[in-house]
Amino acid sequence: GDSVTQMEGPVTLSEEAFLTINCTYTATGYPSLFWYVQYPGEGLQLLLKATKADDKGSNKGFEATYRKETTSFHLEKGSVQVSDSAVYFCALRGTRGNNRLAFGKGNQVVVIP
Amino acid sequence: NAGVTQTPKFRVLKTGQSMTLLCAQDMNHEYMYWYRQDPGMGLRLIHYSVGEGTTAKGEVPDGYNVSRLKKQNFLLGLESAAPSQTSVYFCATTDRGSSGANVLTFGAGSRLTVL
Repeated sequence: GDSVTQMEGPVTLSEEAFLTINCTYTATGYPSLFWYVQYPGEGLQLLLKATKADDKGSNKGFEATYRKETTSFHLEKGSVQVSDSAVYFCALRGTRGNNRLAFGKGNQVVVIP
Repeated sequence: NAGVTQTPKFRVLKTGQSMTLLCAQDMNHEYMYWYRQDPGMGLRLIHYSVGEGTTAKGEVPDGYNVSRLKKQNFLLGLESAAPSQTSVYFCATTDRGSSGANVLTFGAGSRLTVL
């Protein structure tokens, strides 16, 4: 079945550092790909998305490119802020018709001033 | 515009007790989902609904039941709570559509502790 794999472990970095969170997927056909963010005490909210190969999603300084050849959708930000501290989830919507999303396990990101 | 509202936000139960979580949405969305979030496990789908009067099992349905009697409400029931059901529960909704870009709108979560 469809699945998403995120890199293991929390990520701790200093303010203004470069952030990368790896995400790879397994799916048939051409899924849609998403990054969701969860701030402390809140539900998840959409950060960015891409619906076809080579699309780049971007929002709030974050970017991710849909790479069909490597089945990846890595999240990047050039200069993080303390306010970016959150849990980030990669997700996939497969080609079946029920709009179900498969989520990765999430990565806790802590940005230190 | 409230979006997706979950009640209650917090609840403590004893083993064997029953309870119901309510998810209410005012966006006229067709699809509704219940997830649970556990440390190191990410989000796992419990049950979902593709329209009023329909329900289907997700990845981890055992010990839960759901109902979608009205389009705007999706209820998650625990008939006999177990400590393994201690978790944070999230409801999410989305529109019906043929494109791949449908986006989930999440509630703020319901934290359940079973003693």
